[in-house]
Amino acid sequence: EAEVAQSPRYKITEKSQAVAFWCDPISGHATLYWYRQILGQGPELLVQFQDESVVDDSQLPKDRFSAERLKGVDSTLKIQPAELGDSAMYLCASSRQGQNVRSGNTIYFGEGSWLTVV
Amino acid sequence: GQNIDQPTEMTATEGAIVQINCTYQTSGFNGLFWYQQHAGEAPTFLSYNVLDGLEEKGRFSSFLSRSKGYSYLLLKELQMKDSASYLCAVRDMPGGATNKLIFGTGTLLAVQP
Repeated sequence: EAEVAQSPRYKITEKSQAVAFWCDPISGHATLYWYRQILGQGPELLVQFQDESVVDDSQLPKDRFSAERLKGVDSTLKIQPAELGDSAMYLCASSRQGQNVRSGNTIYFGEGSWLTVV
Repeated sequence: GQNIDQPTEMTATEGAIVQINCTYQTSGFNGLFWYQQHAGEAPTFLSYNVLDGLEEKGRFSSFLSRSKGYSYLLLKELQMKDSASYLCAVRDMPGGATNKLIFGTGTLLAVQP
């Protein structure tokens, strides 16, 4: 079964340092999402791509976070400089393009990247 | 505003039935999803409802009432491995954006022997 691949699985970094996460979506999925999940809360959308274009980054703290999906396939999420409050799990997810009422264009998640900022 | 409410925690007994409720208020609506998330792992898809009524899938069923902004997830014949957090998520479509999922905080279910 196809999966969303993410790396690294775990990352510990000092505050003010830079950190990057990588994601490879399920083949054929045009839509890619980055979510952040703080312990005990539900995932929060940071950025959504349709192919290589950003369609929603309203919740992305743009002063320190950036995301790109240059060729419309894999994606990188960067944080610079990292702050203590950035400690969370960063989830990448993907779904097919278009509206499919029957399947709901289910969003599939990767295993996540745990970030601890010290 | 946008709001999704679900109980924080629930406890149930192995072999029993449990119902996890979710109410929502969103700008738009284009489907409701339930995900299961074990501690330290990513959410995995359980069910999808876009029309009113009950969708059944094995031991899991999900119900939707759009007029009431209400859904529930029903788990039958509970097993210890069902101990997890259950996330209710609504696909909102404000201003033409598509496929944006808004998640609740999750319901942590503990199944006891």
